[in-house]
This record gives sequence, C-alpha cells and structure tokens, in this order.
Amino acid sequence: QVQLVQSGAEVKKPGSSVKVSCKASGGTFSSYSITWVRQAPGQGLDWMGRITPIFGTANYTQDLQGRVTITADESTSTAYMELRSLRSEDTAVYYCARERGTTRWFDPWGQGTLVTVSS
Amino acid sequence: DIQMTQSPSSLSASVGDRVTITCRASQSISDYLNWYQQKPGRAPKLLIFATSSLQSRVPSRFSGSGSGTDFTLTISSLQPEDFATYYCQQSYSTPYTFGQGTKLEI
Repeated sequence: QVQLVQSGAEVKKPGSSVKVSCKASGGTFSSYSITWVRQAPGQGLDWMGRITPIFGTANYTQDLQGRVTITADESTSTAYMELRSLRSEDTAVYYCARERGTTRWFDPWGQGTLVTVSS
Repeated sequence: DIQMTQSPSSLSASVGDRVTITCRASQSISDYLNWYQQKPGRAPKLLIFATSSLQSRVPSRFSGSGSGTDFTLTISSLQPEDFATYYCQQSYSTPYTFGQGTKLEI
C-alpha cells in the first residue's frame, strides 16, 4: 500500500523560505494527486493546494497564492511544497496526503512536518 | 469558496453513548463529503468517504449520511479510543475546505 514519508522539522527566520518533501512508496506515483494541508498550533486543518504529477499541474488556495509552489518529481516519487516569505503565522504542521477516488478523499497522510518561523 | 460549518465544536460524552456530529456546507456539494479523526500529535485519519462509505478497517460503529448541504457522522456506541477531534471536508471544488472540528471529550 502507499506510504508517504515527509522530511524533518524546520526552524526558519521570517522572510525566508522552506521546502518540505513528501516521498511516496508503493502504488504508481504519477497516477494520483498529492494534496497539502497545514495545521497551526491548536487550530484546524487548512487545505493549501494540490498537484497531479502525471499532468504536472498544481492549484492553490487563494490565501497563499504567490507564496506557495507545489511540485513533483516522478523519478523519485516525491512531492514538494515550498512556502516563501515566511511569517510567524506560517508556524504549523504541514501534511501531505494522497487524493483517492472520484470524490477525492485524502488517504493516506504523511506523518507531518513541523515548520517553526521565529526570529 | 465553500464554507463548512460543524456542530457542535465540542462535545462531552461517555463510553457507550451514541453521538452525532453535523456538518453543513454553504452550497450543495452532492456527496463529496469526507470525515477524518485526529488524535493529538497525529496525522488525520480517514473514517468515511463520499458521505457514507466506511474506510477499510474502520469499525462499523462509525457511519455517515446526508446529501446536498447537510451531513452527519454518527458513532453508535462510543469506545475509549474514539475520544479525538473530528473534521468534515468537502472535495466538491477547490479550495477543498474543512469544518472547524469537533472535539469529543470524556
């Protein structure tokens, strides 16, 4: 079955960038979409964007448009989420998940990556 | 954007209770509604997809129903491991949006 393993925790300065990876094992990477969700401390889940590797197309929430880029490398079965111009409010756990089915549910999820933005 | 409103935001219950959580969409989303369970420090886990389909290995005490704008998640007989936060999520159109969560407490 598909498993998603994310890169480790990061501490970043305000104004810098972070790039989080999500490596898939099992399944055929190109045949499904990867979505990214974040969760600020003590808060709910916020969808950030998604990519369909076979098409190379990504779309994003308007809230992050211009600051976030999601990419995928089919040769390594890895998806990436880069967030730029980091602010303290970007401190969160970032999750990747596979989209499945015609009604697009998220399963499985990666283990999460804590990104802390602090001066 | 489609807004998802869950109620209640928190709920106290006991082992063996029947519990219902509701989720309302700001516009019709057909059956594009999924439910997740999240425990502290863990990634969300899929419980129900496409409104009423039980994910593999999820206990049958969990069930989902609804259509259009109004949906429910029911736990028929609460077990100790069910105390967690539950989120609904619409996948009808991007940006996919989540409800604010329902924290189920003892």
